[in-house]
Amino acid sequence: GEDVEQSLFLSVREGDSSVINCTYTDSSSTYLYWYKQEPGAGLQLLTYIFSNMDMKQDQRLTVLLNKKDKHLSLRIADTQTGDSAIYFCAESRRTGGFKTIFGAGTRLFVKA
Amino acid sequence: KAGVTQTPRYLIKTRGQQVTLSCSPISGHRSVSWYQQTPGQGLQFLFEYFSETQRNKGNFPGRFSGRQFSNSRSEMNVSTLELGDSALYLCASSLDGGAGGKQFFGPGTRLTVL
Repeated sequence: GEDVEQSLFLSVREGDSSVINCTYTDSSSTYLYWYKQEPGAGLQLLTYIFSNMDMKQDQRLTVLLNKKDKHLSLRIADTQTGDSAIYFCAESRRTGGFKTIFGAGTRLFVKA
Repeated sequence: KAGVTQTPRYLIKTRGQQVTLSCSPISGHRSVSWYQQTPGQGLQFLFEYFSETQRNKGNFPGRFSGRQFSNSRSEMNVSTLELGDSALYLCASSLDGGAGGKQFFGPGTRLTVL
């Protein structure tokens, strides 16, 4: 994706926490999203955060936003094998209208 | 509510042909966006339609076009297919498409160009 950067791979053991990181560049981004894609499927919206928030928690998911550094992270507590998927970070960017820019995705491997 | 549906799910075409893909958004959603997903380029934004008007466009050649009907269903057309057009084409719908608009994705159409 253009200007949204993510690491490509992450491997964790079942039960551990996973932290997926993302950096973006557009300061006009208003919403930032995390999507999950399982093999052969479309994208599923996991959670999102408004740019004036620092943190959002939703069950096992915690999103942290550092707007100064334009850094977003997704923490998955008690990672399960079913969490194995590709996770996409995305920003909603104001460019005339709005468009969503996606990172390249982080492939999460969960080892039993 | 039914989710976003895309047809067909799989398509095989040859170079030079054209193709039309269809997307039916979630009932009540007026914005439909299209994305191309390839292993090399990731998810690339194609365009967004809202109330039958193209509101936003990505950096794709004019061979890629789309439209939206009054019932919010959208079609995407690719003319003069090239091998590099082989990809998963994803459609997403949202209520109004603005920032903060949560997008719901369909399962995609996998296009293979031979």
